Amino acid sequence: GNSVTQMEGPVTLSEEAFLTINCTYTATGYPSLFWYVQYPGEGLQLLLKATKADDKGSNKGFEATYRKETTSFHLEKGSVQVSDSAVYFCALSGGGGYNKLIFGAGTRLAVHP
Amino acid sequence: GAVVSQHPSRVICKSGTSVKIECRSLDFQATTMFWYRQFPKKSLMLMATSNEGSKATYEQGVEKDKFLINHASLTLSTLTVTSAHPEDSSFYICSAHQREGYNEQFFGPGTRLTVL
Repeated sequence: GNSVTQMEGPVTLSEEAFLTINCTYTATGYPSLFWYVQYPGEGLQLLLKATKADDKGSNKGFEATYRKETTSFHLEKGSVQVSDSAVYFCALSGGGGYNKLIFGAGTRLAVHP
Repeated sequence: GAVVSQHPSRVICKSGTSVKIECRSLDFQATTMFWYRQFPKKSLMLMATSNEGSKATYEQGVEKDKFLINHASLTLSTLTVTSAHPEDSSFYICSAHQREGYNEQFFGPGTRLTVL
């Protein structure tokens, strides 16, 4: 079945450091891929998405590229801020749509001044 | 726009009682709502898919008689945890799939259930 594997956290960085959170997936067909972010005390918010191979999703300085050959969707940001501290979830949806999301375990990011 | 609310945000109940959690899409119509359970430091586990006007579809291993889901309108779905036990204590999150336009799931802030 479909599954998502994320690097374990927590990830602790200093402000302005480079961020990478690894995400790989297993899926049949051509899934859509997502990164969601959960700030403390809040619900999940869609951060970015990609619906087909080689697509790059980007938002708020974050980027991720849909790599079919390596079945990966790693999240990157060139310079993190304290306000980026949150839990990040990689997810996939089969069939190219938004139904039935499969989530990774989540990676907690803590950014210190 | 695209706001999903949940009520209550926190609830503490005694073992054996039932608890109802509401999920509302405040400014859009949702043909489909999803209910997730999140364990501490774990990911979200999909419990069931709720379609307006029809019976919910439960994921394997989720007891439908214990977790009753009703999706009576395009803006409201409810999850009732019946005869709650301490092992049901968890963080329950709903999401709503927007019917038109921006095809995306929008998540509620979650409900923390503690069963004593």
